[in-house]
Amino acid sequence: KAGVTQTPRYLIKTRGQQVTLSCSPISGHRSVSWYQQTPGQGLQFLFEYFSETQRNKGNFPGRFSGRQFSNSRSEMNVSTLELGDSALYLCASSQPRQPGQETQYFGPGTRLLVL
Amino acid sequence: ELKVEQNPLFLSMQEGKNYTIYCNYSTTSDRLYWYRQDPGKSLESLFVLLSNGAVKQEGRSMASLDTKARLSTLHITAAVHDLSATYFCAVDAGSGTYKYIFGTGTRLKVLA
Repeated sequence: KAGVTQTPRYLIKTRGQQVTLSCSPISGHRSVSWYQQTPGQGLQFLFEYFSETQRNKGNFPGRFSGRQFSNSRSEMNVSTLELGDSALYLCASSQPRQPGQETQYFGPGTRLLVL
Repeated sequence: ELKVEQNPLFLSMQEGKNYTIYCNYSTTSDRLYWYRQDPGKSLESLFVLLSNGAVKQEGRSMASLDTKARLSTLHITAAVHDLSATYFCAVDAGSGTYKYIFGTGTRLKVLA
């Protein structure tokens, strides 16, 4: 099975712009989560989607949003970029509590640099 | 709010030595995960611990979970250089959904 894929892998934007990141989960996985990783704050949960519905949301401002499509692919959007949004954005997919697949599988990440 | 703490944050050890990484969390959960991250790479799943007393072993690493003490340990035996990486524990705060709260990470360096 192919793993979780994320596009683009690297992105450079300037303050005030917006960005959309994409994630394709492992085939058959219906849950997709997003995390932000920075040296200062570590790994922080952004949100989780299942069957096109957001089930969980972390403590991030409304500039961060996401969605999931009927094929389970997910996108996250950050509007009005700030310097502090520079981070590695990781997507993870999983099956909901399927025996033997009880964990999240992470993609390679999108590294975003905001100038 | 669930908080997850790891210690130590940094660990430098000689090859062949044993050491333990500790992961404490603040509220009840029976799902704990260990991940490894190499520099510039994503997270690789190491262990999934789903009940009190769970113990998993893989190669030179062993993880255990004590839900009563809200503590998990990752023990490395006779470390080798290939184990150098950052190790994260994560606790699932999702109550049936997925919402991982990660620890700060332990950066392990194994010296030859």
